[in-house]
Amino acid sequence: DAGVTQSPTHLIKTRGQHVTLRCSPISGHKSVSWYQQVLGQGPQFIFQYYEKEERGRGNFPDRFSARQFPNYSSELNVNALLLGDSALYLCASSLGQLRTDTQYFGPGTRLTVL
Amino acid sequence: AQRVTQPEKLLSVFKGAPVELKCNYSYSGSPELFWYVQYSRQRLQLLLRHISRESIKGFTADLNKGETSFHLKKPFAQEEDSAMYYCALRGSNYQLIWGAGTKLIIKP
Repeated sequence: DAGVTQSPTHLIKTRGQHVTLRCSPISGHKSVSWYQQVLGQGPQFIFQYYEKEERGRGNFPDRFSARQFPNYSSELNVNALLLGDSALYLCASSLGQLRTDTQYFGPGTRLTVL
Repeated sequence: AQRVTQPEKLLSVFKGAPVELKCNYSYSGSPELFWYVQYSRQRLQLLLRHISRESIKGFTADLNKGETSFHLKKPFAQEEDSAMYYCALRGSNYQLIWGAGTKLIIKP
């Protein structure tokens, strides 16, 4: 198993555009979480999905949305991009939603907004 | 408020010296705390979690509820320990709340 995979690796967009980031969890994992990591800071929680339903949402504007597919892969969408959206976007998968479940991280997608 | 604070952005110690990476948290209730590590050009990976009470790569961390701390310690640093270390707290909605991270540099 390749672990959590994310695509694309890097992305450059201009202000006002829309972006879609993709994540494939580890086989057998049903929960996916998304984080934003701005340079010099720790990751910030955006969303968690479990069994295709949103189970948690961080303090991000409605421009951010996500969904999880029947195969448990996930997409993060960001509309009307701002310069401040430039960051590393991390996806993490876990078995389920138990507090004891470990989150396994993907390599991230580096988004640059010009 | 749920918060994690790592007061040191950078910590530099000599090989063989003891290491302590500080982490303080704010959480009402029983916290669940983690240390994650990111080696150069690698992804974030779990180092240890307080409920396991295990030692990984010689690192240990003890939860001190009185001081609301979860400091990471290693008695003798090795060069391969150089990495970025993040302390994280499981929030009330299962999400992880992260500190800003501490860059650990082990000098030869």
